[in-house]
Amino acid sequence: EAQVTQNPRYLITVTGKKLTVTCSQNMNHEYMSWYRQDPGLGLRQIYYSMNVEVTDKGDVPEGYKVSRKEKRNFPLILESPSPNQTSLYFCASTTFPLWDTQYFGPGTRLTVL
Amino acid sequence: SQQGEEDPQALSIQEGENATMNCSYKTSINNLQWYRQNSGRGLVHLILIRSNEREKHSGRLRVTLDTSKKSSSLLITASRAADTASYFCATTNAGGTSYGKLTFGQGTILTVHP
Repeated sequence: EAQVTQNPRYLITVTGKKLTVTCSQNMNHEYMSWYRQDPGLGLRQIYYSMNVEVTDKGDVPEGYKVSRKEKRNFPLILESPSPNQTSLYFCASTTFPLWDTQYFGPGTRLTVL
Repeated sequence: SQQGEEDPQALSIQEGENATMNCSYKTSINNLQWYRQNSGRGLVHLILIRSNEREKHSGRLRVTLDTSKKSSSLLITASRAADTASYFCATTNAGGTSYGKLTFGQGTILTVHP
């Protein structure tokens, strides 16, 4: 089954404790991206990647890091999480350059205390 | 500033009525997509319309795109209570330094009353 998986689905952590949210897709998609969703602000793109070893900043990259060492994986790293990073995070993937349907993961609800 | 802004922010209708949501954007786009999200869950792709297309249909969904006005509309006909959700438009930039960037609007919350 074609899917995007994210882990963990829920995470409560404390300020400053490094964490990684994993994202994996099984559709051989070139393009992957991370979004955060906050009430009243909609979805905002954090980072995106057009292929292995190619990443670019989205609208709100501050405080986040990503890597794309393999085509299927695109982890999101918070080196020193802060409370303003409490949010609902989504990973997505699609083909490139066809710009077809974006497939979204189920979301990761992160709370930073 | 964010493009892909939806209007209205919230829409409340009765089952069987049609629901129309609008989306405006600012830059040249490659395509425009509409997504649906049930409360707090993942987004589900509904329909994609390319910049050289003007109208597209999928079941009870009809999407139009007017690139001269930089706007799109999503029409859901004969709505059902199960259509209650948030609906987002998203655009992919056509070129320049933002090529590859996907921008979402803030969404329209649709409530369909039985």
